[in-house]
Amino acid sequence: GAVVSQHPSWVICKSGTSVKIECRSLDFQATTMFWYRQFPKQSLMLMATSNEGSKATYEQGVEKDKFLINHASLTLSTLTVTSAHPEDSSFYICSARHREPGELFFGEGSRLTVL
Amino acid sequence: DAKTTQPPSMDCAEGRAANLPCNHSTISGNEYVYWYRQIHSQGPQYIIHGLKNNETNEMASLIITEDRKSSTLILPHATLRDTAVYYCIPRGQGAQKLVFGQGTRLTINP
Repeated sequence: GAVVSQHPSWVICKSGTSVKIECRSLDFQATTMFWYRQFPKQSLMLMATSNEGSKATYEQGVEKDKFLINHASLTLSTLTVTSAHPEDSSFYICSARHREPGELFFGEGSRLTVL
Repeated sequence: DAKTTQPPSMDCAEGRAANLPCNHSTISGNEYVYWYRQIHSQGPQYIIHGLKNNETNEMASLIITEDRKSSTLILPHATLRDTAVYYCIPRGQGAQKLVFGQGTRLTINP
């Protein structure tokens, strides 16, 4: 199956700093990528949809100025958590939509801990 | 998006068949039923999907009722590595996103 890679797989940062998470589709082109957040013992919550070359579409309640998403190429999308606070600590997961046949593949996830 | 109802948790003995039910009574005619699973601290993994016919692949079988209001995912010979949260998700063809419900936490016991 298609491979989606996230980096870093885990990161610890101080409160107030910004953290960037990368999502790459390794062997296919993804015109659309999705970012999810998952808190312990909860389900995945969709944060935003990012389309290559255009602005991301954020789900209701997700602050677009806090969670900056850039989808600069067909194989790379980045999520930047700006001015991170302890409540932003979570498991962040990306998904990439394969052009054909349109199936979604998920990355391994990135665990963010904000001290 | 159609809503789904899945039991919050299930147990199954290793080597036995695990049958995971999902109710999706509000599913639209053009929506497929997708199944994903998430092993602890990993990203979701695609298992199988179907529209109205039963489907089988190397991982599992999917049985969809004739009225399409419910489906059952079958893992024929469960192993300890099948312990995960299983999500049933209706999704229209060409639809962009996947919306996750609460899923079923399946525990395979030795």
